[in-house]
Amino acid sequence: DTEVTQTPKHLVMGMTNKKSLKCEQHMGHRAMYWYKQKAKKPPELMFVYSYEKLSINESVPSRFSPECPNSSLLNLHLHALQPEDSALYLCASSRDRGRRGGYTFGSGTRLTVV
Amino acid sequence: RKEVEQDPGPFNVPEGATVAFNCTYSNSASQSFFWYRQDCRKEPKLLMSVYSSGNEDGRFTAQLNRASQYISLLIRDSKLSDSATYLCVVENNNDMRFGAGTRLTVKP
Repeated sequence: DTEVTQTPKHLVMGMTNKKSLKCEQHMGHRAMYWYKQKAKKPPELMFVYSYEKLSINESVPSRFSPECPNSSLLNLHLHALQPEDSALYLCASSRDRGRRGGYTFGSGTRLTVV
Repeated sequence: RKEVEQDPGPFNVPEGATVAFNCTYSNSASQSFFWYRQDCRKEPKLLMSVYSSGNEDGRFTAQLNRASQYISLLIRDSKLSDSATYLCVVENNNDMRFGAGTRLTVKP
């Protein structure tokens, strides 16, 4: 299994809703990442988990809350989002942080906040 | 200065053309370097790692110049299927940073 699986693929939510994005990998990778990508822009790093511990939080607003229940799963909990948070949210994993082999990305969740 | 800078593009080339993309990075301690390809509304996919000695994979050749902090990607004999955005990616402090990407369109 060489995939990173993200669910849902599409999500529309209101500004008062609470929702969660899920990411799963079974490659034995010990580092997992959340990126946010706006249209025609590169992915921007949000969070890094290394060995199930949060190692980087790139000054992301608290309305985004990451969770790593185990080494295969990564969640992103969303609450009270703003329309400008609409974007493609990408999960990635690597064997360790910054491994030479690069990252494997999931296909993303396209989020629209209305 | 951005951590990773790329040619803004877009590049519009005919089939069979050779096209080169350039990228510079600001952190001289950067350790690993990659080119990713991203198709419209899809996730980035690793195209190739970039090694100091330069490396080739079929029609694709990547070069790294650590002294100049410069990375390049050369695509020979362009195919229609090469149309995509090419992202230069640099590992800084164990995390990956992306360039803004260069859009390539290969036309018949």
